[in-house]
Amino acid sequence: AQSVTQLDSHVSVSEGTPVLLRCNYSSSYSPSLFWYVQHPNKGLQLLLKYTSAATLVKGINGFEAEFKKSETSFHLTKPSAHMSDAAEYFCVVSVGYGGATNKLIFGTGTLLAVQP
Amino acid sequence: DAGVTQSPTHLIKTRGQQVTLRCSPKSGHDTVSWYQQALGQGPQFIFQYYEEEERQRGNFPDRFSGHQFPNYSSELNVNALLLGDSALYLCASSWGTAETEAFFGQGTRLTVV
Repeated sequence: AQSVTQLDSHVSVSEGTPVLLRCNYSSSYSPSLFWYVQHPNKGLQLLLKYTSAATLVKGINGFEAEFKKSETSFHLTKPSAHMSDAAEYFCVVSVGYGGATNKLIFGTGTLLAVQP
Repeated sequence: DAGVTQSPTHLIKTRGQQVTLRCSPKSGHDTVSWYQQALGQGPQFIFQYYEEEERQRGNFPDRFSGHQFPNYSSELNVNALLLGDSALYLCASSWGTAETEAFFGQGTRLTVV
């Protein structure tokens, strides 16, 4: 069965320093992986997605993630944190069903705090 | 273009009551999925509707049911509410059968007292 594990429930960085949010996945076949962000009292927004094309995926707002099959990881990074990046981040794997649009399996989330 | 819209935004119900939540998908989308997000947790898949039929279902009891209308909008119904049903209910819409992005609404915050 497909699943994702987010290794940190809370991450705190200083503004202008790099961000690393860690995610490991489990899948019996080549997975489709996503990172979503959720700001307080707002819906989920897609940051980026990996669907078996390039292993380094660039997303919005300067975020990127690298798919590493040998390590079963899909860590999210950003070179320089901004105050507006403070939010909850979810690593997500999709599960296909008979060709229909997939259902999403979410990790437990990482709350990113950005200190001034 | 309005994105995914959900109503109501907040709701307070009493144990044992029934509730209906509504979702209008993003224009052009034909697939609607519902998720439950308990406080401090990631969203959990409830079910998915495509062509007015329940296509996939997560590990939720039969008290959770849904419907999709010809205009692709959807309802989530929960019967015999329990305190544990208190959560943010998220609707996501997408298009077609390929690997596509799911767009989420802002959710309905349900509180059961």
